[in-house]
Amino acid sequence: DAGVTQSPTHLIKTRGQHVTLRCSPISGHKSVSWYQQVLGQGPQFIFQYYEKEERGRGNFPDRFSARQFPNYSSELNVNALLLGDSALYLCASSLIQSHNNSPLHFGNGTRLTVT
Amino acid sequence: TQLLEQSPQFLSIQEGENLTVYCNSSSVFSSLQWYRQEPGEGPVLLVTVVTGGEVKKLKRLTFQFGDARKDSSLHITAAQPGDTGLYLCAGGRSSGSRLTFGEGTQLTVNP
Repeated sequence: DAGVTQSPTHLIKTRGQHVTLRCSPISGHKSVSWYQQVLGQGPQFIFQYYEKEERGRGNFPDRFSARQFPNYSSELNVNALLLGDSALYLCASSLIQSHNNSPLHFGNGTRLTVT
Repeated sequence: TQLLEQSPQFLSIQEGENLTVYCNSSSVFSSLQWYRQEPGEGPVLLVTVVTGGEVKKLKRLTFQFGDARKDSSLHITAAQPGDTGLYLCAGGRSSGSRLTFGEGTQLTVNP
């Protein structure tokens, strides 16, 4: 079975540009979460979507937005990129909304570099 | 803001040695998870502990959740080079999927 897939794997953008990152969850998983991992730190929660609705939002500016499609895949959009947005963006899927009963499965991430 | 502090941040040991990684918080979590992450990959779940005082074993790895559900530890016995990686603890509340991660412990096991 395919795991969580993310695309692209690597991306280089310049300041001020926008970027769209894509995630396909494990088949049957209805919840998708996005995390940002800056080099040398642990992942930071950005968004969670469940059944196509936003169920949680972390402490990130409005430049960050996301959505979930009817097939449960998801996109993360970042506008007006800043140098500090350079990070590994991780997508995680789970069967249901609550992590207690449904573990997170992470993709291998998209490495975004902003120059 | 819920924070999880991990210690040590870096650990370099020889094959065969034992080690313990700590994860501490001032907040109570409904569950505590441990992940291992290798370069170029996403974190992989090792274990979830949900009950205060709970101990779980996974081969040479022993995980413990503090009685007050504010802290956790990971003990590795007879470490092997294959154990090398970034170990992350993450706490969660009873609802939702948001996890609060610690900054990680980078473990290097030298042959």
